[in-house]
Amino acid sequence: QVQLQESGPGLVKPSETLSLTCTVSGGSISSYYWSWIRQPPGKGLEWIGYIYYSGSTNYNPSLKSRVTISVDTSKNQFSLKLSSVTAADTAVYYCARLYSGYDSLNYYYYYYMDVWGKGTTVTVSS
Amino acid sequence: DIQMTQSPSSLSASVGDRVTITCQASQDISNYLNWYQQKPGKAPKLLIYDASNLETGVPSRFSGSGSGTDFTFTISSLQPEDIATYYCQQYDNLPPLITFGPGTKVDIK
Repeated sequence: QVQLQESGPGLVKPSETLSLTCTVSGGSISSYYWSWIRQPPGKGLEWIGYIYYSGSTNYNPSLKSRVTISVDTSKNQFSLKLSSVTAADTAVYYCARLYSGYDSLNYYYYYYMDVWGKGTTVTVSS
Repeated sequence: DIQMTQSPSSLSASVGDRVTITCQASQDISNYLNWYQQKPGKAPKLLIYDASNLETGVPSRFSGSGSGTDFTFTISSLQPEDIATYYCQQYDNLPPLITFGPGTKVDIK
């Protein structure tokens, strides 16, 4: 079955760029949306953004100015870059598959995150 | 932006109890609502999608209902392994913007 694995530096300095990669195994990255979510220590989940395998993206408006998500279909990977980080960006970062289906009876698309990576902790500190 | 609220923020119940969590959206989101379970130190797990559809492999004691702005998540008979934080999550449609609720922590009394 499809598995996701986050990788990247666990420590980033303030004002620098956080870079993470999610590797998809057990299935193809094609035909799906792929998402990043984060969770600060002791707090709830925050959606960061997603990318379609073709490259189209959508970001959380609160992070949009600092976020870039990209995809490399040849490597079955997608990546997150978050610029100008501060201590507030310290969190566990998760990647997830954003599954999309179509309800032909009621004419709408539905979405849910059905496969998640285990998460990687990123600390922003000098 | 659509805001999500959940209540209660935490609860304690006995094994076998019926547990109900509510999630409210700041505007009509039809049935664009999912529920996740997160155990300590673990990634979230999808339980319910499209407000009321049980994800494959999820025990039938979990259920969801609602539409519009008001949604309910129910555990019909609480089990020790259900200790977790539960999050609702909504999406605007086309293209979807995603928002999580603040979570409800469930403990055993």
